[in-house]
Amino acid sequence: ELKVEQNPLFLSMQEGKNYTIYCNYSTTSDRLYWYRQDPGKSLESLFVLLSNGAVKQEGRLMASLDTKARLSTLHITAAVHDLSATYFCAVDRIIQGAQKLVFGQGTRLTINP
Amino acid sequence: DSGVTQTPKHLITATGQRVTLRCSPRSGDLSVYWYQQSLDQGLQFLIHYYNGEERAKGNILERFSAQQFPDLHSELNLSSLELGDSALYFCASSGGVSYNSPLHFGNGTRLTVT
Repeated sequence: ELKVEQNPLFLSMQEGKNYTIYCNYSTTSDRLYWYRQDPGKSLESLFVLLSNGAVKQEGRLMASLDTKARLSTLHITAAVHDLSATYFCAVDRIIQGAQKLVFGQGTRLTINP
Repeated sequence: DSGVTQTPKHLITATGQRVTLRCSPRSGDLSVYWYQQSLDQGLQFLIHYYNGEERAKGNILERFSAQQFPDLHSELNLSSLELGDSALYFCASSGGVSYNSPLHFGNGTRLTVT
């Protein structure tokens, strides 16, 4: 069974600091996604990582994927308050044409002025 | 705006009742997914439909059922509701040809069972 674990689950940080959220998964996967969710809102896609060594960056967020270690990281550089949200990683497998996406528990990020 | 439309936004009902949640996918998307989000269980995959056919099932209870219609909209039916079914239910859609695009989520239906 595919399991996805994120850590930390809660993160409170100061503006201007750097930090990393980790996402571990238990079995070989076809691709990995990062999503952002604001309180009471929908999930917004941030990154899709398709292969080993993939790195994607958007603004102050950078995601990477190491398929051998079954690990993805979401790095936050010089955090700003607007990045406060819950971040989810999700991993999927395609089996006989059926796609099953499994989410981590989410990391609730709070950025304090 | 993701282009995925879910109705209703909020639903309050009593235990034992039955409700139907509706989802219209993004234009051109053939796949529809249903997820349940609760505080204790997190985001749980329920079911995936592709072009009208069920493709994958997750942690979906027997009291729950879904279908995707010829116009590609989908409905999730929840029956014999229990207090524990209170949650945010998301529908998501994705392109039918490539699996490499992310799922696009609707704004969810918040179900409260009293």
